[in-house]
Amino acid sequence: SQTIHQWPATLVQPVGSPLSLECTVEGTSNPNLYWYRQAAGRGLQLLFYSVGIGQISSEVPQNLSASRPQDRQFILSSKKLLLSDSGFYLCAWSVSGGREQFFGPGTRLTVL
Amino acid sequence: RKEVEQDPGPFNVPEGATVAFNCTYSNSASQSFFWYRQDCRKEPKLLMSVYSSGNEDGRFTAQLNRASQYISLLIRDSKLSDSATYLCVVTFNTNAGKSTFGDGTTLTVKP
Repeated sequence: SQTIHQWPATLVQPVGSPLSLECTVEGTSNPNLYWYRQAAGRGLQLLFYSVGIGQISSEVPQNLSASRPQDRQFILSSKKLLLSDSGFYLCAWSVSGGREQFFGPGTRLTVL
Repeated sequence: RKEVEQDPGPFNVPEGATVAFNCTYSNSASQSFFWYRQDCRKEPKLLMSVYSSGNEDGRFTAQLNRASQYISLLIRDSKLSDSATYLCVVTFNTNAGKSTFGDGTTLTVKP
């Protein structure tokens, strides 16, 4: 069966510090991968998606970036965090072609 | 106008009640539809897919009306454990399979 991992579970970072969140998927090959952010009490905002190694599409201009160095690894990064980057970051995977997405446990980021 | 709109609620119902959630979407090119459940401070989890013919899973029934661009979720015989936020999701059947999530409807089932 497929599983998706995210770490860390929680993170508190000062403004201006760098960020690296990692997501890995097991039990499937060539998945579509997605990064979402959910602000407190709000819906999910799609940040990035990837259909293959090295292929990244950005949905919202911001100071975040994403990379996919391996088939089942998706990384979200920032060089300098802003207060507005606080939120619940969720990684998801799906098979290609508009199917249901499955989410990792998420990382709760607080920027102070 | 949001691409996917849901009544945020909250819906407060007694145990055993029947409750219905509605969702509308604006892009007629949307192809796949889902309901997810999200518990407080947890990740969303797939509840069920939604088909034009309607589908039922135990106490849960989902319906899709493509002509009206409307999706519904019916929960019968509500349990305390049904308390959560329910997210309506529409997806494009492209290789990227991008999805748009509604902001969710919050349900609280009370004893």
